[in-house]
Amino acid sequence: GQQLNQSPQSMFIQEGEDVSMNCTSSSIFNTWLWYKQDPGEGPVLLIALYKAGELTSNGRLTAQFGITRKDSFLNISASIPSDVGIYFCAGLMDSNYQLIWGAGTKLIIKP
Amino acid sequence: DSGVTQTPKHLITATGQRVTLRCSPRSGDLSVYWYQQSLDQGLQFLIQYYNGEERAKGNILERFSAQQFPDLHSELNLSSLELGDSALYFCASSIGPSPGYGYTFGSGTRLTVV
Repeated sequence: GQQLNQSPQSMFIQEGEDVSMNCTSSSIFNTWLWYKQDPGEGPVLLIALYKAGELTSNGRLTAQFGITRKDSFLNISASIPSDVGIYFCAGLMDSNYQLIWGAGTKLIIKP
Repeated sequence: DSGVTQTPKHLITATGQRVTLRCSPRSGDLSVYWYQQSLDQGLQFLIQYYNGEERAKGNILERFSAQQFPDLHSELNLSSLELGDSALYFCASSIGPSPGYGYTFGSGTRLTVV
């Protein structure tokens, strides 16, 4: 089936560093969503993108809908301890389809 | 609190048994989605119901079944359980039939099969 390639798989960062992650596909998507999952909890929607080239921010988080519609990027600026968790991208090709999920990026802050 | 309620939070059962997981969607949401997340794995879509009718099916095993009731709550039935069925099971809900605006997840049911 369709897949989203999410990278990196995990990141070890220092508090205060900026973080970047991305999702790519060989298919075109109409919607990109970014979720964060804390340990033992359900994913929470962070940012939704609906238009190629769109750049949307949510506090220190900024996400972009790639111009080719085949990728999306998430940046976190000045990371803090509560940013740890797993970040998932999800794409929707068409409203008649289901979300396709990336495998997640695990963010770990070095002590 | 996301507004999506899942019960129970934890469930331990033996192989071969059958369990039922319950989900109450957020008020006003008509769609319910079920997902499975094994340890350190991604999210696997199982099935979607919209206003009582099955709308989409993912990688759901034949041993698993679900339904959505007139009051819109949903139940996921897992039977002939195997060790490999141990996982977090999430329910999510959305207003309409499409997940285009994202959906809201519950906090999950952790199933352990021993």
